[in-house]
Amino acid sequence: GAGVSQSPRYKVAKRGQDVALRCDPISGHVSLFWYQQALGQGPEFLTYFQNEAQLDKSGLPSDRFFAERPEGSVSTLKIQRTQQEDSAVYLCASSLMTGGSPLHFGNGTRLTVT
Amino acid sequence: GNSVTQMEGPVTLSEEAFLTINCTYTATGYPSLFWYVQYPGEGLQLLLKATKADDKGSNKGFEATYRKETTSFHLEKGSVQVSDSAVYFCAPTPQGGSEKLVFGKGTKLTVNP
Repeated sequence: GAGVSQSPRYKVAKRGQDVALRCDPISGHVSLFWYQQALGQGPEFLTYFQNEAQLDKSGLPSDRFFAERPEGSVSTLKIQRTQQEDSAVYLCASSLMTGGSPLHFGNGTRLTVT
Repeated sequence: GNSVTQMEGPVTLSEEAFLTINCTYTATGYPSLFWYVQYPGEGLQLLLKATKADDKGSNKGFEATYRKETTSFHLEKGSVQVSDSAVYFCAPTPQGGSEKLVFGKGTKLTVNP
């Protein structure tokens, strides 16, 4: 399909493990966003890329969180030394242009840290 | 920065009832306003948008009018259906500067037959 694709769909990690979450945005979309959604809450902004440049990472909760988009397409969100409070759904979204274009979301990766 | 206050749920209605979900925002700059919907088991998807004052966004029978004077963007539907059961999120974004959407907490709507 032509939508935003995220993998894996579900991830269970033991506390202290590292995880990597992948996002394939819609082809040609300039902007890419990562959000964290806790159960029963709205999505919380993590970070934003315009092409390969990470323009805003103000929402990353700690230095254990790292995101990259090296070729301006696929993005990876990495969480090191996972903690239980990292359990959430991680959403990726892309948009065609900057300046208020609608976001297209993937179905998310549900991370459970045990 | 932007912030949004959204009517708390859950909201439970009978089919064909009138729906209003209130949303007010504060924003730097001149925001575009969006409503997103999350159906059970699915990702968020855009429901409607408005980009300037007095614009009315509409889709699937839902409407919302961009009220700059009251900084509001309330979502309405005249006759809800069971298939409208979902979580609804209001989100402003600025025209310039930071691109990030700021989401409300979401309002869960359940429509009973």
